Amino acid sequence: AQSVTQLGSHVSVSEGALVLLRCNYSSSVPPYLFWYVQYPNQGLQLLLKYTTGATLVKGINGFEAEFKKSETSFHLTKPSAHMSDAAEYFCAVSGGYQKVTFGIGTKLQVIP
Amino acid sequence: GAGVSQSPSNKVTEKGKDVELRCDPISGHTALYWYRQSLGQGLEFLIYFQGNSAPDKSGLPSDRFSAERTGGSVSTLTIQRTQQEDSAVYLCASSLEGGPGNTIYFGEGSWLTVV
Repeated sequence: AQSVTQLGSHVSVSEGALVLLRCNYSSSVPPYLFWYVQYPNQGLQLLLKYTTGATLVKGINGFEAEFKKSETSFHLTKPSAHMSDAAEYFCAVSGGYQKVTFGIGTKLQVIP
Repeated sequence: GAGVSQSPSNKVTEKGKDVELRCDPISGHTALYWYRQSLGQGLEFLIYFQGNSAPDKSGLPSDRFSAERTGGSVSTLTIQRTQQEDSAVYLCASSLEGGPGNTIYFGEGSWLTVV
């Protein structure tokens, strides 16, 4: 069984401030972890993913996430928020040949 | 095709009618997913097809919902006797295989409104 918990359905940050979106997972097998982004009125697209190897993963638009097995976490960060980062972000987990399970999403608001 | 294609993009139907939503996955992708996205509900898994294996139907909310995948390609999600709570965006996604770590690619979704 696997699950994802995203802490905070809504997060607000000031433009230029650090973005931190939290994701914790549960998986009975080694997990593969994803962050997807959905911009307003658009489909979901992959931001970054962790499969194996380096635990710090870099994605598009300056985002990165670190896989921490001991904390069962995969938090998404960006050093400096931009107005264009306003979107909904989904964390997801899969393991083995199981289906991909998504969290409920976090809506990021960027305040000018 | 270049991406996952879904049709119709928008559908308004009367309560009690049946609807069919179609998904054309990326060519060569063997894994296909249906998700439902409702306001404030995140992404709800519905059903998962992987190659010739029996589909994982564990997310279908009721027996009014069914899906099939013909020839390992196109999939149709059918909702019978639609209810207002079925109003949502239905998202289809596909991946090269259902294996670990494979990126899944989403379509633009089918917006369903039940009136």
